[in-house]
Amino acid sequence: QQPVQSPQAVILREGEDAVINCSSSKALYSVHWYRQKHGEAPVFLMILLKGGEQKGHEKISASFNEKKQQSSLYLTASQLSYSGTYFCGTPDNTDKLIFGTGTRLQVFP
Amino acid sequence: DTGVSQNPRHKITKRGQNVTFRCDPISEHNRLYWYRQTLGQGPEFLTYFQNEAQLEKSRLLSDRFSAERPKGSFSTLEIQRTEQGDSAMYLCASYRGGGMYNEQFFGPGTRLTVL
Repeated sequence: QQPVQSPQAVILREGEDAVINCSSSKALYSVHWYRQKHGEAPVFLMILLKGGEQKGHEKISASFNEKKQQSSLYLTASQLSYSGTYFCGTPDNTDKLIFGTGTRLQVFP
Repeated sequence: DTGVSQNPRHKITKRGQNVTFRCDPISEHNRLYWYRQTLGQGPEFLTYFQNEAQLEKSRLLSDRFSAERPKGSFSTLEIQRTEQGDSAMYLCASYRGGGMYNEQFFGPGTRLTVL
């Protein structure tokens, strides 16, 4: 039931792009994306809703494919500050988040 | 700063001792969630409150764990007779409710180490 993220890890140089995928085995109605730096709490990035509505970060974009039950996070022109572990989360009927397996992103100068 | 605070930030204890963590959510948010996160894993749900009512507990929450949210304000999570397997980051999240369009705001977490 836990969403599966791919890839597990990404290494980038500053300025390069990356795509992180989140796939669920059940129907998705919304997907939340968070970034977590080592030893810190997850920080909200964005929410995607069924139907394409988005709420969140200005410099990060994402897509939501209802048929594939998948969401993708697009990081363009990456900066050093983008380093961290990215989690997708899907809310259940009580709005608790079921977090994905995580993708570790490292950006080097 | 998300507006959610947790204390203490770090706690080191010996096996068998009791520990208590506190979470102060955003004042107008009526929902509060507790999650636990172990190294390399995503946060896992433990329990949540709607105002002062505890509405759901995960099977991860053994009978050594208890949580309260008196008067629907701050919340405490107590672990009795700690075990080494309890070592983790304990996160609370504050949530306005009202549907899937609203994000959860996480506190900085309490890192528990059981020796």
